[in-house]
Amino acid sequence: GAGVSQTPSNKVTEKGKYVELRCDPISGHTALYWYRQSLGQGPEFLIYFQGTGAADDSGLPNDRFFAVRPEGSVSTLKIQRTERGDSAVYLCASSLNPRTYNEQFFGPGTRLTVL
Amino acid sequence: DAKTTQPPSMDCAEGRAANLPCNHSTISGNEYVYWYRQIHSQGPQYIIHGLKNNETNEMASLIITEDRKSSTLILPHATLRDTAVYYCIVIYSGGSNYKLTFGKGTLLTVNP
Repeated sequence: GAGVSQTPSNKVTEKGKYVELRCDPISGHTALYWYRQSLGQGPEFLIYFQGTGAADDSGLPNDRFFAVRPEGSVSTLKIQRTERGDSAVYLCASSLNPRTYNEQFFGPGTRLTVL
Repeated sequence: DAKTTQPPSMDCAEGRAANLPCNHSTISGNEYVYWYRQIHSQGPQYIIHGLKNNETNEMASLIITEDRKSSTLILPHATLRDTAVYYCIVIYSGGSNYKLTFGKGTLLTVNP
């Protein structure tokens, strides 16, 4: 079946601009996660959704970052006033039930470059 | 979650077994060991997990020492497509623990 998809695959923007990154999780997965991966590092947790609500947004670096999941399926990560330090690969993952099993299925990521 | 230590890189010949070690000396009794891998330009992929018994699936085997302070991921017959960064992650499974804390992992290079 279809895996987690993310669009766009690449995004180049200028410093100060607003960007939106989209994630389509696996159908039926109630949990959705966003991670960020800088060059040479492992992914870092940003935010976790259970259904429509953000259950844990402790990984968001500052208030320029915001994510939504209005219907409990597709999620959008929004970054305001982008900075060069925001350049990274943004990964989305989904899972069936995080309370009992931690297999997360990852998408291919969106590579964000802020010039 | 307990911290893990992995070698930064390893090499393996194609067709041979790849044995990837992980130290997790501070692991607690209710923490699982998970392994993920990340092939270049892809998202991480789940491989296997275990608590204290050895585990095997179609991808790999996981050997956990009796004191649970270390483990080894075994790819029995490595292929070129197994070249990837392998992450060992210790996590409390259950409740609301859902954050995967990735270190830098081990870059496994399978050579022809």
